[in-house]
Amino acid sequence: QVQLVQSGAEVKKPGASLKVSCKASGYTFVDYYIHWVRQAPGHGLEWMGLINSRTGGTYYADNFQGRVTLTRDTSTSTVFMEVSTLTSEDTALIYCARVEFDGSYLHWGQGTLVTVSS
Amino acid sequence: DIQVTQSPSSLSASVGDRVTITCRPSQRINSDLHWYQQKPGKAPTLLIYSASRLQSGVPSRFSGSASGAEFTLTISSLQSEDSATYYCQQSFDSPRTFGQGTKVEIK
Repeated sequence: QVQLVQSGAEVKKPGASLKVSCKASGYTFVDYYIHWVRQAPGHGLEWMGLINSRTGGTYYADNFQGRVTLTRDTSTSTVFMEVSTLTSEDTALIYCARVEFDGSYLHWGQGTLVTVSS
Repeated sequence: DIQVTQSPSSLSASVGDRVTITCRPSQRINSDLHWYQQKPGKAPTLLIYSASRLQSGVPSRFSGSASGAEFTLTISSLQSEDSATYYCQQSFDSPRTFGQGTKVEIK
């Protein structure tokens, strides 16, 4: 079955960088894009960006352009999201999700809690 | 960017009530609109895809429709387990965007 397993919770200081992984299994990795979605405490879902798992091509939301980098390793079926220059406003649950051909998100990772605090 | 306006932001209803939530995109998106349910601390789950198609395994009391520029999620007979926050999401163009969410509470 399709699974997306994310790396564990992180606690970071302001100004630090963060790298979260999303390991895919149960399907042909390069056939599907992976998107990332963020949810700050008590807030809604915010789309961050996407990566084409086959080509490595990326697209970022304006709010994250220049501060978020998505990469993938096809040998391990893993997507990585790196966020630089963290602030307290980056405290959030971050999800990866596989995009279906109709554009919906049927399969999600379990979420990675990121806490930014001095 | 395509904005998606979702309403209401919250509602309270009784078990058995009919509940409707609407999303209005800022431009035409064909049928590229999907609905999710999210419970606290959990990842969202897909309810409806492509405006009106019921995801396998989702109870038939959930339905989606589109009329003009407005999309609607309907719960025909609210159950206690439907207490959650519901989001719409457009996939017509990137950046993908979500509605603001509707918190559904049971009276």
